[in-house]
Amino acid sequence: GEEVAQTPKHLVRGEGQKAKLYCAPIKGHSYVFWYQQVLKNEFKFLISFQNENVFDETGMPKERFSAKCLPNSPCSLEIQATKLEDSAVYFCASSQPSQGPYEQYFGPGTRLTVT
Amino acid sequence: DAKTTQPTSMDCAEGRAANLPCNHSTISGNEYVYWYRQIHSQGPQYIIHGLKNNETNEMASLIITEDRKSSTLILPHATLRDTAVYYCIVMAGAGSYQLTFGKGTKLSVIP
Repeated sequence: GEEVAQTPKHLVRGEGQKAKLYCAPIKGHSYVFWYQQVLKNEFKFLISFQNENVFDETGMPKERFSAKCLPNSPCSLEIQATKLEDSAVYFCASSQPSQGPYEQYFGPGTRLTVT
Repeated sequence: DAKTTQPTSMDCAEGRAANLPCNHSTISGNEYVYWYRQIHSQGPQYIIHGLKNNETNEMASLIITEDRKSSTLILPHATLRDTAVYYCIVMAGAGSYQLTFGKGTKLSVIP
């Protein structure tokens, strides 16, 4: 597609429950990024993929967070045993560096609320 | 990546040019200046980027000083729909490609 798609739009989980977020990058884009926005202006990079391979995972919390990008499937970000502090909007972005340095196209985000 | 400094907020009258400054005094020779914006709670949107020369596209112009220590994003005729948080990001020409967002400038376009 021509836009990055993210599902679901909203997700509510009780503390300790699992949360799984999905991202379909723009067709033909080989890089996928996940960012977390906790407060209105505070973005945190989590992880990036080049096709199905992890490219940079320096922002991923060591515990509870995992992500995958498998061929012919949406990418996913999974949080095991959610905590209140995981409440945030999670944005996915995709890019194709061969089309110009580092322009990233962002999806609309998934708002995760942990209660 | 070099650190950037932006004003917290700015106002601009509708129809006037909005000039958003950014300081990046520690920028390296291979680092680009990127501008993104976030309208309300939408995903960030790419606006423009540059290395040394001034750049213009359908959305905005980017003016980079000769010493590259600062830049200005210009929205030539601001509309209410340009109300957003604008982020200036400096990033090397090689590496992991992740964007490092600061706090940005909240631009309010006033009727």
